[in-house]
Amino acid sequence: DGGITQSPKYLFRKEGQNVTLSCEQNLNHDAMYWYRQDPGQGLRLIYYSQIVNDFQKGDIAEGYSVSREKKESFPLTVTSAQKNPTAFYLCASRPLRGGTGELFFGEGSRLTVL
Amino acid sequence: QQPVQSPQAVILREGEDAVINCSSSKALYSVHWYRQKHGEAPVFLMILLKGGEQKGHDKISASFNEKKQQSSLYLTASQLSYSGTYFCGATNTGNQFYFGTGTSLTVIP
Repeated sequence: DGGITQSPKYLFRKEGQNVTLSCEQNLNHDAMYWYRQDPGQGLRLIYYSQIVNDFQKGDIAEGYSVSREKKESFPLTVTSAQKNPTAFYLCASRPLRGGTGELFFGEGSRLTVL
Repeated sequence: QQPVQSPQAVILREGEDAVINCSSSKALYSVHWYRQKHGEAPVFLMILLKGGEQKGHDKISASFNEKKQQSSLYLTASQLSYSGTYFCGATNTGNQFYFGTGTSLTVIP
């Protein structure tokens, strides 16, 4: 079945550590996105990518980094520079040609900094 | 950059109607609507592409006024399953995808 897989689902991190959240899709979608959601809040765009080896910052990119070495993969690294990383992280993808252009989401990764 | 939604929260009794509005200060290329249940990923409801377009399925419909950069979601005869947080989403020519501020909808028996 086609879809988006995020891992891990839950992650605990000590302050000062970098962590990488995985996002893999087998939908052959061009665009991939990372969002952050805090309790009771909306989804804020961290980074997005339209094509392999290219990505753009969203509104809250500071303290985060991404790579897009393969079309299927868009990992997000939460660095120690991110001052308040505890949040729910959602990865999404969508086609840029054909289809409705709707976003398909992974199940999310919940990061807690201890 | 984030589209603004109103109201922020609404409580309905089963069978009542609701309207959720989404407004952007920037030009909208298309508008999506999603519903999110607590702790889950958002689920796609519909997309509107053209100015003045209306769409709907079952008892949920939406309109998009491209000139005013506004969209509205209409929920009629609400059911308990409609509870959740509703987000509009907007794309621009740069393929960025921004979500609105969100509207919490609670349907009570």
